[in-house]
Amino acid sequence: DADVTQTPRNRITKTGKRIMLECSQTKGHDRMYWYRQDPGLGLRLIYYSFDVKDINKGEISDGYSVSRQAQAKFSLSLESAIPNQTALYFCATSAPDAQETQYFGPGTRLLVL
Amino acid sequence: GEDVEQSLFLSVREGDSSVINCTYTDSSSTYLYWYKQEPGAGLQLLTYIFSNMDMKQDQRLTVLLNKKDKHLSLRIADTQTGDSAIYFCAENPTGRRALTFGSGTRLQVQP
Repeated sequence: DADVTQTPRNRITKTGKRIMLECSQTKGHDRMYWYRQDPGLGLRLIYYSFDVKDINKGEISDGYSVSRQAQAKFSLSLESAIPNQTALYFCATSAPDAQETQYFGPGTRLLVL
Repeated sequence: GEDVEQSLFLSVREGDSSVINCTYTDSSSTYLYWYKQEPGAGLQLLTYIFSNMDMKQDQRLTVLLNKKDKHLSLRIADTQTGDSAIYFCAENPTGRRALTFGSGTRLQVQP
């Protein structure tokens, strides 16, 4: 079984709709992250959380919100989706080891019409 | 990923060596990383290098670090079709609580 899972894997929605992307992990890591990937831009950090009570904005948090429901779960919400939020979204976790290796989920492909 | 720069595309023939280059801006980064993304999948850590090292070798992979020029490279010897993927360079700047990724280099291996 995958250590980091994301649901749904693909989603099509309309402008103005609220949607939630979910992430679960079985690695027992405290640190979790949400990124978006756009062609030619690499990965950009949306939000990150170092434990259940710690939520931090990344470089592109506008238009997004998150919820850390438990150590194992970290959800990303688009309050009112817009077309330029069409992207591939990745959840990741990391261990508090020296090199901070990140472990990624398989991604959610989102299309906003 | 504006702080970490990579070329977007590299094409090589099977059996040749591939060299993927990266420049970064923050000299305080303790570690520098190479992640691999295969089609339809998330990123996986390929290798990393500690900032006080110049070179790290791991089977077919060689990482070179030039701290003076803030330049990192990944050499893949005897490149195989299974190496076709996007390769991301990343750094962990001191004072920032998450990694900064480059834009990724798409490696295409031709039979």
